Amino acid sequence: SAVISQKPSRDICQRGTSLTIQCQVDSQVTMMFWYRQQPGQSLTLIATANQGSEATYESGFVIDKFPISRPNLTFSTLTVSNMSPEDSSIYLCSVRGRRNQETQYFGPGTRLLVL
Amino acid sequence: AQSVTQLGSHVSVSEGALVLLRCNYSSSVPPYLFWYVQYPNQGLQLLLKYTSAATLVKGINGFEAEFKKSETSFHLTKPSAHMSDAAEYFCAVRSVYSGGGADGLTFGKGTHLIIQP
Repeated sequence: SAVISQKPSRDICQRGTSLTIQCQVDSQVTMMFWYRQQPGQSLTLIATANQGSEATYESGFVIDKFPISRPNLTFSTLTVSNMSPEDSSIYLCSVRGRRNQETQYFGPGTRLLVL
Repeated sequence: AQSVTQLGSHVSVSEGALVLLRCNYSSSVPPYLFWYVQYPNQGLQLLLKYTSAATLVKGINGFEAEFKKSETSFHLTKPSAHMSDAAEYFCAVRSVYSGGGADGLTFGKGTHLIIQP
């Protein structure tokens, strides 16, 4: 399985500011995803991070609010822009491996609180 | 489009008793199905997966699940609950096909498993 790390692990931010979350994988992967888990809720897919091209966003999520970069096969960033308290969530990076493409593995998550 | 329904947001069982967490899915294409566990303040850990091979799949920590196409179900069981099993459990579905926006997982709302001593 892939080992995924995220930075920061948690943060407290002021409304109106932006936070960039980093996701690093220990091996090259075909697909990377970003999910959001709001307090007490399930996980919702934000977007698929595509290497070398724009991310593919799910309904209800837009690039201006959640810009994503994926410069190579092991790294991606998600920015939460112009934050409001409603953005307080856990943001999780997820990958599908090159070998085992059936399974998605998840990072430890970034716990964000917006005041 | 795909969806997952987990019956029971909270399930309470006694230590040593059978654990049964229910998951029903809806998918217009053949599915891959997964169970993940989330311990407090931690990320998601894969428990087990169904990927078109054996319909009864065994996972970690003594859990298993059976894919029943006729019932569109993928219920999670464990013969004897342990205190360490207390956690949030998520069922998820994905299409066997890739591309066209069908690559991500669709999750159920989760079931909080409580183990009574």
